[in-house]
Amino acid sequence: QVQLVQSGPEVKKPGASVRVSCKTSGFSFSSYDINWVRQAAGQGLEWMGWSNPNSGKTHFPQKFQGRLIMTRNTSIGTAYMELSSLTSDDTAIYFCARAFGQYGLDVWGQGTTVTVSS
Amino acid sequence: DTQLTQSPSSVSASVGDRVTITCRASEHISNWLAWYQQKPGKAPKFLIYAASNLQSGVPSRFSGSGSGTDFSLTINSLQSEDFATYYCQQSNTLPLTFGGGTVVEMK
Repeated sequence: QVQLVQSGPEVKKPGASVRVSCKTSGFSFSSYDINWVRQAAGQGLEWMGWSNPNSGKTHFPQKFQGRLIMTRNTSIGTAYMELSSLTSDDTAIYFCARAFGQYGLDVWGQGTTVTVSS
Repeated sequence: DTQLTQSPSSVSASVGDRVTITCRASEHISNWLAWYQQKPGKAPKFLIYAASNLQSGVPSRFSGSGSGTDFSLTINSLQSEDFATYYCQQSNTLPLTFGGGTVVEMK
């Protein structure tokens, strides 16, 4: 079945970087954009950006410019999100999600908890 | 950025009730609106797209309506498994944005 399986929890110190993986199965990886969404404890959902696994093209909001990289390995159907210069404000659950065209995000990973603490 | 304002922020309801949640966009977004359900400790679940289209497998007691700037999600005959937080999300323009969420809790 269609699945997105993310890597495990991470604990990082301020200033470090974190990379979260999102392994896909059950569908053609190259045919769907992968989005990243995060959620701080008790808060709402924040869209971080999308990547096109076929072209490698990415798009993300200005607030993440310079410290967010999205990559992919098409041979193993896996997308990656790397966030650098971490601060305590980056402590959150990070989700990858498949785009259903422009209509929304129809399949989600289970989430990866990233904790930034000294 | 397109802001989405959901109301109410929380609602108390009983099994069998009808619940309506609204989502107002800060600018015209045509029908580029989706709704999600999220339960504690879980990823969001895709319920409705293009404002009124039910995603496959979602019970028919869920329905969506609206266009332009004003949208609503209605749950008819609320079931115990429907107690959760609901989010709207627009995809008319980047960045994608979400509403602040509405908690549907047991009365």
